[in-house]
Amino acid sequence: SYELTQPPSVSVSPGQTARITCSGDALPKQFAYWYQQKPGQAPVLVIYKDTERPSGIPERFSGSSSGTTVTLTISGVQAEDEADYYCQSADSSGPRGVFGGGTKLTVL
Amino acid sequence: QLQLQESGPGLVKPSETLSLTCTVSGGSISSSSYYWGWIRQPPGKGLEWIGSIYYSGSTYYNPSLKSRVTISVDTSKNQFSLRLSSVTAADTAVYYCARHIHRAVAGTGIYNWFDPWGQGTLVTVSS
Repeated sequence: SYELTQPPSVSVSPGQTARITCSGDALPKQFAYWYQQKPGQAPVLVIYKDTERPSGIPERFSGSSSGTTVTLTISGVQAEDEADYYCQSADSSGPRGVFGGGTKLTVL
Repeated sequence: QLQLQESGPGLVKPSETLSLTCTVSGGSISSSSYYWGWIRQPPGKGLEWIGSIYYSGSTYYNPSLKSRVTISVDTSKNQFSLRLSSVTAADTAVYYCARHIHRAVAGTGIYNWFDPWGQGTLVTVSS
C-alpha cells in the first residue's frame, strides 16, 4: 500500500525556522496537503495543493515540493506552533486519502 | 460557515458494530463539489482515512477496512453515517468526519483534501 514518510519529531528554538518533510513515490503526480493538530483538537488545514495557504493561516507557514518530497516550512517559529503535523496525499486519482505518520514539532 | 458534528455511542462491545453519524450545518451535503469522509485516530497514534461518500451514494473505502465498513448518506437530514462491523480493541479511536474536497481541474491536476473537520468523538471498544 502507498505510504507517506515523515520524521517522528523536529525541534527548534523560538524564532528559528522549522522544516518538516514528507516523502512518497506518488508526490510528483499528486498534490500534498498539511494539517496542524494541537492536543485534544481536530486537525486544521495549513497548506493545500503543495504551496497554497488557506485564509487565516499565518504567513510564516509555507509549503514546497521537489520530486518525491514535500516540505512544510514554518519561519519564525512561535510557541503556539508546537503541535503534531501531518502530510496527506493520495495514491491514485480517486477520492481517497493517505496520511503520513505525523511529526511532533517541539518548540524548545 | 460549514460545521460538522459527530454523534454516536462512546462505548461499543467487541464483535459488535460501531455506528456514528455526522451532521453537516451551514451548507448542503448535496453540493456537487464535495465528498464527505471519515478519518480515525487511535490514542497517541496517527490519522487513518476510513472512507468517503458522495451525495449520490458513491463510496470509496480504505482497502484495509473495506470488508467491515459501510458509509451511507441521508440528504434529507444533511447527514452521513459510518458503520464498522466486528470491532476489536484495535478500533478504539477518535473518529472524525470531514468535508472531502476532490476535484479534477484541467491543466492543473487533481485536488484532494479534508477541510473542515468535526471536533471528533472517542469510541472505546471494550466489554
